[in-house]
Amino acid sequence: RKEVEQDPGPFNVPEGATVAFNCTYSNSASQSFFWYRQDCRKEPKLLMSVYSSGNEDGRFTAQLNRASQYISLLIRDSKLSDSATYLCAVILIGNEKLTFGTGTRLTIIP
Amino acid sequence: DAGVIQSPRHEVTEMGQEVTLRCKPISGHNSLFWYRQTMMRGLELLIYFNNNVPIDDSGMPEDRFSAKMPNASFSTLKIQPSEPRDSAVYFCASSPGQLYGYTFGSGTRLTVV
Repeated sequence: RKEVEQDPGPFNVPEGATVAFNCTYSNSASQSFFWYRQDCRKEPKLLMSVYSSGNEDGRFTAQLNRASQYISLLIRDSKLSDSATYLCAVILIGNEKLTFGTGTRLTIIP
Repeated sequence: DAGVIQSPRHEVTEMGQEVTLRCKPISGHNSLFWYRQTMMRGLELLIYFNNNVPIDDSGMPEDRFSAKMPNASFSTLKIQPSEPRDSAVYFCASSPGQLYGYTFGSGTRLTVV
């Protein structure tokens, strides 16, 4: 089983819709969680950290469910500019290695 | 801050040649990471350094790959000899600590023919 798993998609969503991604992790010792965004032929860029209590940044909401070992990303009122690949990533306790999922491809349709 | 700087942006080389990729981390970041990204395998961690010391190189695919960090502002990833299956995008990233995530460089797109 992979350490971090994501549905690769693609997700094709109309502009203005709400879309949600989940990401599961296999190691319960995972401590830090992140969502990254990667545009085509660009580097991954940190979108947001995921805190135990959940956190929101504008149209983006990230949540952590430790019991079920998954994190989620919700995008409200999606924009054309949200089209990208979204990567989740986790770090284990006592470690600095960031392990990435393979990413979920999102396309927002006009 | 200029961010993480990688060079070259693109590299095309013939099989068997030596390839050296370079990275300058963000000043003050004490951890540096080398990743490889392919369509088939996604982002794979090759090696990471903390305070210029290699901590975990378990992701380095084989002895043809080596990495160094002679000081806090410079790191290299070397492939010798290169093979076509090494073709990928190689990213360098740096971090001030695990709670902050990483900042990635723009990557080096390597093609071995």
